[in-house]
Formats: sequence, C-alpha cells, structure tokens
Amino acid sequence: DQQVKQNSPSLSVQEGRISILNCDYTNSMFDYFLWYKKYPAEGPTFLISISSIKDKNEDGRFTVFLNKSAKHLSLHIVPSQPGDSAVYFCAARSSIKAAGNKLTFGGGTRVLVKP
Amino acid sequence: GAGVSQTPSNKVTEKGKYVELRCDPISGHTALYWYRQSLGQGPEFLIYFQGTGAADDSGLPNDRFFAVRPEGSVSTLKIQRTERGDSAVYLCASSPTGQSSYNEQFFGPGTRLTVL
Repeated sequence: DQQVKQNSPSLSVQEGRISILNCDYTNSMFDYFLWYKKYPAEGPTFLISISSIKDKNEDGRFTVFLNKSAKHLSLHIVPSQPGDSAVYFCAARSSIKAAGNKLTFGGGTRVLVKP
Repeated sequence: GAGVSQTPSNKVTEKGKYVELRCDPISGHTALYWYRQSLGQGPEFLIYFQGTGAADDSGLPNDRFFAVRPEGSVSTLKIQRTERGDSAVYLCASSPTGQSSYNEQFFGPGTRLTVL
C-alpha cells in the first residue's frame, strides 16, 4: 500500500521551461512534505519543504504547492536548467509523535532537462 | 563540516553471508535513520534511532536485520544470512533532532549491497 505516489516516472523538458512534478498521498496524518533531489551514486539532497498549514512555499526557482483537500502536492522548477536533471523524490512525515521524523517516499520522477 | 558518511560504498557478498554497513552521522545529530532503496523505487524506512536507542524499528523486514548505535553517534546495520533480495542501496540519514520538529534529514551517499 503506497502512501506516497509519484505517478510520472519520467519527465523531459526544454531548458528554460517549467518543470512540474506531481505527488499524491493517502495518509491524512501526514503534516510535513519534502522534496529531495538525487544524482546517480549520491544520497538524496534536500530541496524544499512545506508544512500542512501552508499551501505554497517558494525558494528561488523552486516552488512547492500543497492541496490538502486533494492530498496532492507539486513541485515547480522555473526556469529549468540542465543541472536540474536528476531523480526527484516526494516525501512525507506523519504528525504522530511516535513516528518520529521518519519519511515515507514516493517512487521518484526522473527529470531530464534538454539544452 | 563533514556530511553523513557511509562505508563501504560498495559491498558484494555471497548468499548466506553476514554483512555490516556503517554510518557516521553529522556531528551532534541525535536522530539517525536507515533506509533501503531498491532499483527503481524510493527509499523505504528501516529503523530510527534517537540517541542510542532504537525508537522505531518497524521497517526492518525480518529478524535477519539488526542495527545498533551504542554511543549515540556511529551506527551499524547488520544483516545475517543475506539473501539475493537484500540487494539494494542502504541509505543512512541524520537530523539534529527526531521528534516534533520540522528538521530535514541529511543523507549519506549510501552503500550498494549486492548479494550473489
């Protein structure tokens, strides 16, 4: 039972255009969401996050939108750059204290930015 | 400062053997996590330490898997009687605290385990 889903395994976009990555979740106890970026042979690196009390968070070229009623979030990258080519993971944290800070990840979306 | 380090970076072993994977978290981070990433999938939670104690080991797949963090810093993930299905990248992450705070987790580069 996948609680976090990224339904698009891959995305190809032209340099300078917008990349939109989508993520859906099923667990209503999730209260904090993160996006991680991963290059081959490296660990995931944190990109941006959003608390469930917000619907938007922006950091430079990266914006995350959260729609709680739809249990959906998206990551917008604009403008896309060739260095953004990587696998992007959506992750969520439960508000249940006993769960600590463990993250539940989606399956990832591979982004290719073409020059 | 140094990030999370993991050793070895690659480990090839034979079915039935015992392996140990090591994680050095960022200095001062009290929370430490182990995840496993199989090919084409996202990382899956295995175990979480708060200090020296395992606060949540609900992700360990079976009793062949065990992890320790005796001094609240370095952690070792131990796998007994390895099986081919254990082949994956094992990721370690740490964060300043682990409870009720919005702390990002910092990941190491992972150990790629291959069981032949």
